[in-house]
Amino acid sequence: KQEVTQIPAALSVPEGENLVLNCSFTDSAIYNLQWFRQDPGKGLTSLLLIQSSQREQTSGRLNASLDKSSGRSTLYIAASQPGDSATYLCAVLTTGNQFYFGTGTSLTVIP
Amino acid sequence: AAGVIQSPRHLIKEKRETATLKCYPIPRHDTVYWYQQGPGQDPQFLISFYEKMQSDKGSIPDRFSAQQFSDYHSELNMSSLELGDSALYFCASSRGPGNEQFFGPGTRLTVL
Repeated sequence: KQEVTQIPAALSVPEGENLVLNCSFTDSAIYNLQWFRQDPGKGLTSLLLIQSSQREQTSGRLNASLDKSSGRSTLYIAASQPGDSATYLCAVLTTGNQFYFGTGTSLTVIP
Repeated sequence: AAGVIQSPRHLIKEKRETATLKCYPIPRHDTVYWYQQGPGQDPQFLISFYEKMQSDKGSIPDRFSAQQFSDYHSELNMSSLELGDSALYFCASSRGPGNEQFFGPGTRLTVL
């Protein structure tokens, strides 16, 4: 079974800092990897999708990379803002068409 | 832009009752996924449908069933509810399996 782990579990940074969230998965047989943010008690907002053949995707201040062979993805957030405070989840879609979520990183950006 | 719609947003049931959750995917999305997120946990995949046929099955209990209808909306039927079924239930849709999933706001089910 695919296991997805995110490090760190929680992160607190001052506003304006650049930061990196890490995601690792045990089985490299994936179709894609998707990053989400979740606000407390709310739904999931898709941030970036990286197909298994891609190395990275960018959207605004966000950049996600994928190294499928080593089972790792990183989400880079530039110039963090208080509005970025949320839980960030990565999820992989396996070639068996099952979607596995990571354990999440709770981010707090301090004004 | 249209998003995934879930109803109801909140539902309170008693043990051993039944519940039906509904999901309306984004227009032209033919694939629907259901997830369960317990308190403080990450979402767990339950089941998915593609073109009205069950596509994949995750950790869905036998007490739960689901289907996708001709208009692509989906319903998750939950019977003999237990206290442990209290959770946020998310539906997501995509245009074909393996593509970007867009999530609905979730249905918060509380079983008393």
